[in-house]
Amino acid sequence: QKEVEQDPGPLSVPEGAIVSLNCTYSNSAFQYFMWYRQYSRKGPELLMYTYSSGNKEDGRFTAQVDKSSKYISLFIRDSQPSDSATYLCAMRVPWGYSGGGADGLTFGKGTHLIIQP
Amino acid sequence: GAVVSQHPSRVICKSGTSVKIECRSLDFQATTMFWYRQFPKQSLMLMATSNEGSKATYEQGVEKDKFLINHASLTLSTLTVTSAHPEDSSFYICSASGGVQETQYFGPGTRLLVL
Repeated sequence: QKEVEQDPGPLSVPEGAIVSLNCTYSNSAFQYFMWYRQYSRKGPELLMYTYSSGNKEDGRFTAQVDKSSKYISLFIRDSQPSDSATYLCAMRVPWGYSGGGADGLTFGKGTHLIIQP
Repeated sequence: GAVVSQHPSRVICKSGTSVKIECRSLDFQATTMFWYRQFPKQSLMLMATSNEGSKATYEQGVEKDKFLINHASLTLSTLTVTSAHPEDSSFYICSASGGVQETQYFGPGTRLLVL
């Protein structure tokens, strides 16, 4: 079983719809959660960064974390064609957890999202 | 957000040659830099963690003698792929982190093609 599971899609929705993207994880040591957007042949762009259970909102994006269920979500309201991209969830353990300093991120496989005009 | 650059953005080389990729944090000091690799339709896989002034920590299965990492300053880390082979062709992405609570900001990536 992979540490982070994410449905690769593709997920196709009409413009204006609410999009729901999800990841599950198995390692309870993960405490920091991120969502990145990646366009084809580009580096990932940070969208949301959370470290507590609950909701965090930023514009049209809402990140939701449920640590008890080991489940995180990203909601996109009023979706636009320009939102079409691959969305990657990522998470990491606390700083120093592995005995050193910062730890790298563990990524989901990414969900390919298509917003139809 | 913070800006991280990579150079070159794309490189094509012959099998057996070495390739150096630079990663720079442009507007913050990165205490830690990370190197990831991404194969087509796959997610990013961490290769190594690099702290300024110390040896890099490599993930299991990543050959440290093949992928040389140097973190010479708080704004620059380099990855050298030595004696590159076609199976090393991939998208190499670096990220930089500025501190304990900081998340990672990614560079634009370097696409390596080994012929």
